Amino acid sequence: DVKVTQSSRYLVKRTGEKVFLECVQDMDHENMFWYRQDPGLGLRLIYFSYDVKMKEKGDIPEGYSVSREKKERFSLILESASTNQTSMYLCASSLSLAGLGGETQYFGPGTRLLVL
Amino acid sequence: SQQGEEDPQALSIQEGENATMNCSYKTSINNLQWYRQNSGRGLVHLILIRSNEREKHSGRLRVTLDTSKKSSSLLITASRAADTASYFCATDGRETSGSRLTFGEGTQLTVNP
Repeated sequence: DVKVTQSSRYLVKRTGEKVFLECVQDMDHENMFWYRQDPGLGLRLIYFSYDVKMKEKGDIPEGYSVSREKKERFSLILESASTNQTSMYLCASSLSLAGLGGETQYFGPGTRLLVL
Repeated sequence: SQQGEEDPQALSIQEGENATMNCSYKTSINNLQWYRQNSGRGLVHLILIRSNEREKHSGRLRVTLDTSKKSSSLLITASRAADTASYFCATDGRETSGSRLTFGEGTQLTVNP
């Protein structure tokens, strides 16, 4: 059974802290994604990765960085957390269909981050 | 910019009724998918329809796609209280990578027992 796990369900951090959100998938998927979800704004793509050590900016990369050292793990880093980064963070993965499109994304349960 | 926009934003119906949600998008697409999200959880894939398809069924779900109007609809028949969730459409555009999806803002469906 397909599984995407995220390191924390809830997280409380202080402004200025460095925050690591971890995502692990067990499906040998090439693609991994980080989204944030806010009321009224839907899901917005922060970063995605097509392969190990590869990353591409999404729609809202400012204030975030990512790391993909192993195929199964994709980390989202908030270099210096700010209150406007309080949000629900969702990780997803998908199998690459070599540009054909239509890949189903499998999501983790989400991390609700509160920055005080 | 928002590629997919769902309509209505919120829908409340009685158990047994049908629920219809609509999605509009702006650019040409390869595929359109619908996802469901229970409160406070991750999204779960429901169904995919390709740009050369007009209608698709899966159990109580029926999806239509009209590429000339750049719109799709999701129909849930004989709704149940357990169908209460948010529903999102997601598109992969021809101008973007096939792997990347753009999600709409979602429709919150409430099915009252």
